[in-house]
Amino acid sequence: GQQVMQIPQYQHVQEGEDFTTYCNSSTTLSNIQWYKQRPGGHPVFLIQLVKSGEVKKQKRLTFQFGEAKKNSSLHITATQTTDVGTYFCATFTGGGNKLTFGTGTQLKVEL
Amino acid sequence: NAGVTQTPKFRILKIGQSMTLQCAQDMNHNYMYWYRQDPGMGLKLIYYSVGAGITDKGEVPNGYNVSRSTTEDFPLRLELAAPSQTSVYFCASTNYNEQFFGPGTRLTVL
Repeated sequence: GQQVMQIPQYQHVQEGEDFTTYCNSSTTLSNIQWYKQRPGGHPVFLIQLVKSGEVKKQKRLTFQFGEAKKNSSLHITATQTTDVGTYFCATFTGGGNKLTFGTGTQLKVEL
Repeated sequence: NAGVTQTPKFRILKIGQSMTLQCAQDMNHNYMYWYRQDPGMGLKLIYYSVGAGITDKGEVPNGYNVSRSTTEDFPLRLELAAPSQTSVYFCASTNYNEQFFGPGTRLTVL
């Protein structure tokens, strides 16, 4: 089935630094979704990308879908302590609107 | 709307016991899913349903069963609990794009 790899697995940053997580696949993806999971919480949907080369922004968050639709990135500008959590990418796999999730990137922000 | 609700929040089982994890959604979503999340890992799909009366296996179905008698409810049954089933279980629902997750059930099997 569809597999998506995420890097890095962990990232520690100082508050105010930027952060980027990458999602990679060996096959062409129909879409990419990004979710955020706060410590002890549940995943919360952030955004979906479907078009080749698509870029979307949400305040300090910038999401990109690669031209070949095999990779995606999430960039956070000037991190804040509220950005702490694990960020997952996910993509549709087969029927039933099933999602395959990446392994996630855990972000810690230090003051 | 309450969204997706799950009960219980926490549970400790002994090896060999059985239990049902409850999941309900009030958004009239057709699609519902059960995931498990092991510490520091991503989410693995256990079972899913595309509508009342229709269920199918996901990536890791062994040791679990589901039913979907109504649009709202999608319970997950564990028979003969094993330590390998210690995990956090999330239920989710959708009608097309974004999945809405419940708060999770933290299960420990000792």
